[in-house]
Amino acid sequence: GENVEQHPSTLSVQEGDSAVIKCTYSDSASNYFPWYKQELGKGPQLIIDIRSNVGEKKDQRIAVTLNKTAKHFSLHITETQPEDSAVYFCAARPWYGQNFVFGPGTRLSVLP
Amino acid sequence: GAVVSQHPSRVICKSGTSVKIECRSLDFQATTMFWYRQFPKQSLMLMATSNEGSKATYEQGVEKDKFLINHASLTLSTLTVTSAHPEDSSFYICSAGEVETQYFGPGTRLLVL
Repeated sequence: GENVEQHPSTLSVQEGDSAVIKCTYSDSASNYFPWYKQELGKGPQLIIDIRSNVGEKKDQRIAVTLNKTAKHFSLHITETQPEDSAVYFCAARPWYGQNFVFGPGTRLSVLP
Repeated sequence: GAVVSQHPSRVICKSGTSVKIECRSLDFQATTMFWYRQFPKQSLMLMATSNEGSKATYEQGVEKDKFLINHASLTLSTLTVTSAHPEDSSFYICSAGEVETQYFGPGTRLLVL
């Protein structure tokens, strides 16, 4: 089955700097890759997603890139703000199902 | 995006009792909902897939008789933790979606004493 790895597990950046989180997946047939932000004590919130027929997608300060050949995708946050501090999860959806396989998460801390 | 609600947000119960958690899709219909469990500082682990009008599909290692799932309508799925024990204490989260995007509920924190 699908396996998703995520790096780094923790990331600290200064306010205003960029943050990059990388994920790899194992099943080349996976076709949908969402990113979720989870604040303490809350459910995950979808922040951006990308489908396998697209290489890059951007939404204001957030962008996601996908390299299907290498089977990895990355989340890029520019001009980070303290409110970006949270745990970020990447996920991949195998073609054969609706449920996701999640990465282990990255705890991002944006230092003022 | 779509809104998914959960109730209650937190519950404390005694060991041996049963607890019911509700998951509702507020502005869309969901034939399928998913239930996850999350332990502190860990990722989300899928427990089961809830299917409207049919039996739920459980992941390997999840006891179907302990975690009862009912998906009686297109907007409501319930998870009942039966005979809860302290090791069942966790953060339970549901998700539902349209087409392929999944939206998560706010989660239910269960503490079993």
